[in-house]
Amino acid sequence: AQSVTQLGSHVSVSEGALVLLRCNYSSSVPPYLFWYVQYPNQGLQLLLKYTSAATLVKGINGFEAEFKKSETSFHLTKPSAHMSDAAEYFCAAKTNFGNEKLTFGTGTRLTIIP
Amino acid sequence: SAVISQKPSRDICQRGTSLTIQCQVDSQVTMMFWYRQQPGQSLTLIATANQGSEATYESGFVIDKFPISRPNLTFSTLTVSNMSPEDSSIYLCSVGALGTGQETQYFGPGTRLLVL
Repeated sequence: AQSVTQLGSHVSVSEGALVLLRCNYSSSVPPYLFWYVQYPNQGLQLLLKYTSAATLVKGINGFEAEFKKSETSFHLTKPSAHMSDAAEYFCAAKTNFGNEKLTFGTGTRLTIIP
Repeated sequence: SAVISQKPSRDICQRGTSLTIQCQVDSQVTMMFWYRQQPGQSLTLIATANQGSEATYESGFVIDKFPISRPNLTFSTLTVSNMSPEDSSIYLCSVGALGTGQETQYFGPGTRLLVL
């Protein structure tokens, strides 16, 4: 079964510093991969997705993620953190052969230090 | 992407009662999903709801507790029955966006439920 691991349930970075949120997947067949963001008291918003095209995926709000098959990773980065980036971030995976079920990681809460 | 709304946005309920949550989409979609997010936790899929067929429930979730309706391609309801404080969660619906077989799920704003 597919599993998604997010290392670090809480990450704190200073405003202007690099943001790095880690995500690893378990499937031997590269799945479709997604990053979602959840702001306080809101639903989930899609940040970006990997669907077997370019391995470096750019998303909204300056975020990007790189798919690395050799490391089974899909880490999320942003060069310079803003206070508005404070939120919960979820990595998710879906198999790419008809199963529509999304498997979520446990989430990473990002705190921005002024 | 689809625009998804949920009603109610939040509610406080007494144990033993039931609450029906509505999910409305602005376009026709084949697949709708219901998730639960318990406090401080990630999302857990409750069931998949396809129009014209019975919902498919994940392990640990049963139809008697979480009956689902899917009367058409733009609407679904989830009922949380005989509620207990353990049902206090955020309930989110999502839809699969059609397109070249690479479906992405988009989420509604969620219904925040507190059971006393």
